[in-house]
Amino acid sequence: DQQVKQNSPSLSVQEGRISILNCDYTNSMFDYFLWYKKYPAEGPTFLISISSIKDKNEDGRFTVFLNKSAKHLSLHIVPSQPGDSAVYFCAASVEGSQGNLIFGKGTKLSVKP
Amino acid sequence: NAGVTQTPKFRILKIGQSMTLQCTQDMNHNYMYWYRQDPGMGLKLIYYSVGAGITDKGEVPNGYNVSRSTTEDFPLRLELAAPSQTSVYFCASSYGSRNRPNQETQYFGPGTRLLVL
Repeated sequence: DQQVKQNSPSLSVQEGRISILNCDYTNSMFDYFLWYKKYPAEGPTFLISISSIKDKNEDGRFTVFLNKSAKHLSLHIVPSQPGDSAVYFCAASVEGSQGNLIFGKGTKLSVKP
Repeated sequence: NAGVTQTPKFRILKIGQSMTLQCTQDMNHNYMYWYRQDPGMGLKLIYYSVGAGITDKGEVPNGYNVSRSTTEDFPLRLELAAPSQTSVYFCASSYGSRNRPNQETQYFGPGTRLLVL
């Protein structure tokens, strides 16, 4: 039973436009959410995170929105650039845990010039 | 700082063979983790360690063993390789504050691709 779901395996966006990646979760004990970016043959790299006490966190071109009542979060990338093409993983952790991350299956983003 | 390093990058094993995947971090992080990623899937936690001498099971520990004799190293041992262990293995580390360790950023190594035939 997947606790973190990324229902879109892939997304294609034109350079300069907005990319929106979505993530849903089922465990109400999650209190911290992260997005990781992964290029082929490399390890995931941390992108942005949000605590459950917030509904928005912004870092440059990247913004994460959290809707706790809907158990949904999204990552917005504006403007999208070709270098953003990668697989994006949504992950979550439970309050009080030792950092055990629960990952979604990932969404492959392709940004076309 | 090299960050998190993993060796080997790629390995082919025969069924029943054993091997150790190496992981080293030079960031003086307390917490270390082993994940595996199967094709088309997210990463799943195998084992983790909150400090030297302390290890615990994650979501998918069967078929693996770990040890943590130093802060820097966290090797993962496969004793009897099976085709189901074909995967990409990622090691990660985090500072691991006592306050809220689950909110620490985890830094990942480049991965070890393992094929069991």
